Order: sequence, then C-alpha cells, then structure tokens
Amino acid sequence: SQELEQSPQSLIVQEGKNLTINCTSSKTLYGLYWYKQKYGEGLIFLMMLQKGGEEKSHEKITAKLDEKKQQSSLHITASQPSHAGIYLCGADHSGAGSYQLTFGKGTKLSVIP
Amino acid sequence: ETGVTQTPRHLVMGMTNKKSLKCEQHLGHNAMYWYKQSAKKPLELMFVYSLEERVENNSVPSRFSPECPNSSHLFLHLHTLQPEDSALYLCASSHAGANVLTFGAGSRLTVL
Repeated sequence: SQELEQSPQSLIVQEGKNLTINCTSSKTLYGLYWYKQKYGEGLIFLMMLQKGGEEKSHEKITAKLDEKKQQSSLHITASQPSHAGIYLCGADHSGAGSYQLTFGKGTKLSVIP
Repeated sequence: ETGVTQTPRHLVMGMTNKKSLKCEQHLGHNAMYWYKQSAKKPLELMFVYSLEERVENNSVPSRFSPECPNSSHLFLHLHTLQPEDSALYLCASSHAGANVLTFGAGSRLTVL
C-alpha cells in the first residue's frame, strides 16, 4: 500500500465553490509539504507544516496538519480557474536533515467557470 | 521563472541513443535532485547531490548516470534506455537538509 494516500484522485468544482483535499500518511510525519503542479510542468511549493495542529494560509488556500491522524488537509475557499492543477503532498518520514520526501500521487483539480 | 532551468524541455530518443538532460539553478542552493514522474505514479526520487557529493541513489538502473560538476549544475546522462523510461524528469534544488524544494519545469522524455 501507499505510504502517502491522497483523496480524492480528481475533483471538478464550479468556480466559487469551496473544496478540500486530504493527504493521509501510514507513517509518522516529521513534516508535510504541499505543492501545486500545472500539467506537464514543475511543482510550485505552497506550504510546509511541521507541528501537530499547525495551520497555515496563503491567499485562499489553508492547510492543516492533524498529527494524531497523520493527516493533512488542503482547503480552498471560493475556488477560481487559477486554482486548477495537480496538488501533491510530500511527507518527511525520516526527520531533520533527510533528503527523502515521499510524495502522494496527486489530486487533479478542475475549476469550471 | 522558477529559478531552476531544465533543458531540453522535450526529448525523443531511440533505445540505442545517448543523450543528456541539463539542470541549472542560480538560487544559491547547495543540494540538487533528480525526480522521475510517470503517469499515475508518485514522484520517484532518483538522485540527490548535496555540496556536490551524491547522498542518495534510490536503486536507479545504471543506464541513468548523474553528474554534478558544481553546486549550480546537474546533469542526467542517458544511454540504452527502455520505452518504460519515458516520463517527465524533474530537477529540483534546495538548501542542504531542507525539504522545501524549487523545481524546474521538467524534461519530457520519450523513448521509442
């Protein structure tokens, strides 16, 4: 089974609607990283979460880390076409100084105008 | 402009060809990475260089050969590839020991 599961795999929402993407780890999380990818291009770093209960926001995107559940959620408020893309979570399962990030398969988000 | 530049953006090669992918960063980072992204699979870490020394090599076939001549440049030399090696190859950089990566736009490789 995957070390890092993302759900849903894909999502289609109407512009203006809210949505949530989840990332669940099968191992202890030392850090959780959210990235966004436009199709066929590189990943853009969004946010990093390291402490249980931590919550960060950037514009209309909020990410939370629930350490007990080893889960993180990414919430987008009032979605816009510019939010469309693939959202990937990356997990540090090894601790500080590790170069190994485990990534989920990604959630493909489409926003219909 | 992401700060990490990859060339070429697209590459088509035969199984007997030898080619190289190039990655360049001028962000002052001292760690560089090669990732492979295939359809419906998670990103796979291939190689990591920190301070110009290879620190990770995740059981990658020898037909992929990395080279890091300095902290700003990273190459992936390709030879005798297989069709299943067709994928998007992503280069990334970071400060050593940090997991906040800056990615390039990728090199789309097709092996015929």
